[in-house]
Amino acid sequence: QQQVKQSPQSLIVQKGGISIINCAYENTAFDYFPWYQQFPGKGPALLIAIRPDVSEKKEGRFTISFNKSAKQFSLHIMDSQPGDSATYFCAASLGANNLFFGTGTRLTVIP
Amino acid sequence: DAGVIQSPRHEVTEMGQEVTLRCKPISGHNSLFWYRQTMMRGLELLIYFNNNVPIDDSGMPEDRFSAKMPNASFSTLKIQPSEPRDSAVYFCASSRGGREKLFFGSGTQLSVL
Repeated sequence: QQQVKQSPQSLIVQKGGISIINCAYENTAFDYFPWYQQFPGKGPALLIAIRPDVSEKKEGRFTISFNKSAKQFSLHIMDSQPGDSATYFCAASLGANNLFFGTGTRLTVIP
Repeated sequence: DAGVIQSPRHEVTEMGQEVTLRCKPISGHNSLFWYRQTMMRGLELLIYFNNNVPIDDSGMPEDRFSAKMPNASFSTLKIQPSEPRDSAVYFCASSRGGREKLFFGSGTQLSVL
């Protein structure tokens, strides 16, 4: 059973465009929602994270939007650059231990 | 800081052989995670250690899998005997405490023929 559902599976965006990746969850007890970025041949790296008491968090060109009532959250990448081409994973966590990852979105930014 | 160090980077073995994957977490981190990544199932947590003690091993798929953390700077994941369906990328990650800000190693690409 997939705890976190992520879409789309792949995404192609023109340079300068906005990339949007969506995630949905069922367990309302989740209390921590990070996004990880993974480049080929590397492990995932934390990009940005949010807690359910805020609806939006922005760090540079990256923004998480969180909709608690809909049990959805999304990553927006503004002014997408070719260097942003990577696989992005959303995740959700309950308590101090596990992170449940989405299945990933492969983003390609075309110059 | 060298980051999380995993070895080997690639492992090719035959079905039935024992495989040992190694991990050196970041110094000062007291939580260590082993994840497995496949196209079909994405990133799955296998086991989580806190202060060298296994806290949650519910993700370990079978008795063929075992993990140890004899000290704060070293962990192993062993598969014995290995099977073709174990082929995946295995990641080790560490953190200062729990699930906040995991630092992942570069992974071990395991192929079981």
